[in-house]
Amino acid sequence: RKEVEQDPGPFNVPEGATVAFNCTYSNSASQSFFWYRQDCRKEPKLLMSVYSSGNEDGRFTAQLNRASQYISLLIRDSKLSDSATYLCVVNPSNTGKLIFGQGTTLQVKP
Amino acid sequence: NAGVTQTPKFRVLKTGQSMTLLCAQDMNHEYMYWYRQDPGMGLRLIHYSVGEGTTAKGEVPDGYNVSRLKKQNFLLGLESAAPSQTSVYFCASSYPWDRGQETQYFGPGTRLLVL
Repeated sequence: RKEVEQDPGPFNVPEGATVAFNCTYSNSASQSFFWYRQDCRKEPKLLMSVYSSGNEDGRFTAQLNRASQYISLLIRDSKLSDSATYLCVVNPSNTGKLIFGQGTTLQVKP
Repeated sequence: NAGVTQTPKFRVLKTGQSMTLLCAQDMNHEYMYWYRQDPGMGLRLIHYSVGEGTTAKGEVPDGYNVSRLKKQNFLLGLESAAPSQTSVYFCASSYPWDRGQETQYFGPGTRLLVL
């Protein structure tokens, strides 16, 4: 079993749609969780950290369920510019040695 | 402020050749990392460094060596390239994790093809 698992997609949605991605992790002792965004042939960039209480940044909402060991990312009112690959990232030991999921690809269509 | 830069952007090697990838950062970060990204695999940590003069192995260190002689530079070496090392290599840097500043900043990547 992979340490961090994501559905690779692609998720094809129309503009304005709401889309949700889930990610599961295997190490129950994991400390920190993140979503990174990666555009085609570009480097990953931090989208948002994921906190136990859940957090929101504009149209993006991230949630953590420690009991079930999954993380979610919700994107509301999708824009064409949201088209990218979203990487679920887990820090299992608080040392900076991050574990990356393989990514979920989102395509927002006009 | 250039952030994290990588040299070269693209390289083609023949099996058995050697090369060094250079990563430089101007954010005064203590931590630096080398990852490789392959289709369907996600990013995997090769080696990392928590400070000048120190390096440690990551998840997939075999076939690679690293050096951190200066705080701002982190070099990744391939002594004898193999086709299995065809990949996109990303360097990243960050502050120490115990400062609560967890973001890793990535360079633009180096695409390596080993024939």
